[in-house]
Amino acid sequence: DADVTQTPRNRITKTGKRIMLECSQTKGHDRMYWYRQDPGLGLRLIYYSFDVKDINKGEISDGYSVSRQAQAKFSLSLESAIPNQTALYFCATSDLSSGGYTFGSGTRLTVV
Amino acid sequence: GENVGLHLPTLSVQEGDNSIINCAYSNSASDYFIWYKQESGKGPQFIIDIRSNMDKRQGQRVTVLLNKTVKHLSLQIAATQPGDSAVYFCAETHTGRRALTFGSGTRLQVQP
Repeated sequence: DADVTQTPRNRITKTGKRIMLECSQTKGHDRMYWYRQDPGLGLRLIYYSFDVKDINKGEISDGYSVSRQAQAKFSLSLESAIPNQTALYFCATSDLSSGGYTFGSGTRLTVV
Repeated sequence: GENVGLHLPTLSVQEGDNSIINCAYSNSASDYFIWYKQESGKGPQFIIDIRSNMDKRQGQRVTVLLNKTVKHLSLQIAATQPGDSAVYFCAETHTGRRALTFGSGTRLQVQP
């Protein structure tokens, strides 16, 4: 099993729909992140969490919300999806001793 | 503001040659840098990291060079192989910032 698992892998949804992307990890890391990847723009930070009670906005949090249900689970929600939220979404984890991230395989979201 | 960018969007090399991928950053407070490799359909994978108290670090076939004077980072890949074909990202952070900032990526194409 993968260390960081994202579901679904692919999703097509309609404008205005609520959608949740889920992330779970078996690394035992405290820190979890959601990034968005668009062509030519690299990865941009949406939200991050350093423990279950710690939730922080990243650079592009508008239109998104998150929930840290447990140390191992961090979900991203789009309350009312819009077409410019079409992108590849990555969840990542890290721990204090190492700054490097472990990424999931990504969720490709298309909003039509 | 912070800016982590790459000099070239696409780099094409012959198999067996050495590859050099460059990255510029703008924040003089940046003190930790990472290179990631992203293959098609996968999440980014950690390659190598370097802290600002070093100017060179070597791994297996890869070397990262850091020039703090000109705020420049490079990734050198020795004897490039077809399996090295991917998009490469640099990322940085600094004490007081809680997440990585990613550059926009360079696509490395290895010609047989």
